[in-house]
Amino acid sequence: SAVISQKPSRDICQRGTSLTIQCQVDSQVTMMFWYRQQPGQSLTLIATANQGSEATYESGFVIDKFPISRPNLTFSTLTVSNMSPEDSSIYLCSVSWSTDTQYFGPGTRLTVL
Amino acid sequence: AQKVTQAQTEISVVEKEDVTLDCVYETRDTTYYLFWYKQPPSGELVFLIRRNSFDEQNEISGRYSWNFQKSTSSFNFTITASQVVDSAVYFCALSEAGGRGGSNYKLTFGKGTLLTVNP
Repeated sequence: SAVISQKPSRDICQRGTSLTIQCQVDSQVTMMFWYRQQPGQSLTLIATANQGSEATYESGFVIDKFPISRPNLTFSTLTVSNMSPEDSSIYLCSVSWSTDTQYFGPGTRLTVL
Repeated sequence: AQKVTQAQTEISVVEKEDVTLDCVYETRDTTYYLFWYKQPPSGELVFLIRRNSFDEQNEISGRYSWNFQKSTSSFNFTITASQVVDSAVYFCALSEAGGRGGSNYKLTFGKGTLLTVNP
């Protein structure tokens, strides 16, 4: 199975700043996704990262707040912009080689002060 | 719209007990996939199983077994002879297959069940 890594694994940031999270897979994948998991909550899909084009965002998430890049088939970034304490969450990327099973990275624990 | 309900928020058992985690889903599609994921305290989400809507056979993998019943829209997960290492949050999830404009890969998660196995 492929190895999925995320950087950073955790960070503590100040209000108003931005953080870029990287997701790297050691093999080419068809689909890449970004999820948010707020403290004690379930996972919510932020967007689908599309290779070579703009990401597809879910209701309630906008590009200005969560810009996403996917320059190739193994790498994607999610930026959390102009952060507030409400953005404190675990951010997870997932990948899929088909239309069904998604495999998740280790997550990035973000705390915003 | 699809929905996944995990009514059990927390379960606590003693080691070696059997435990069943419930999952009930709602979907209008006839073709869909069901999943279970495990999230230990480290935070990583670990894939456990995938089931498609046309395969109602129960599955067993070691101490884990899954019971899929379309008649009751349920996909329950049983851990036999639980161990302390089974302590985690377990998520049930649903994905609809189909070709409707980009949403066919979306996973809808239940709220999760926190399982604590005490020694």
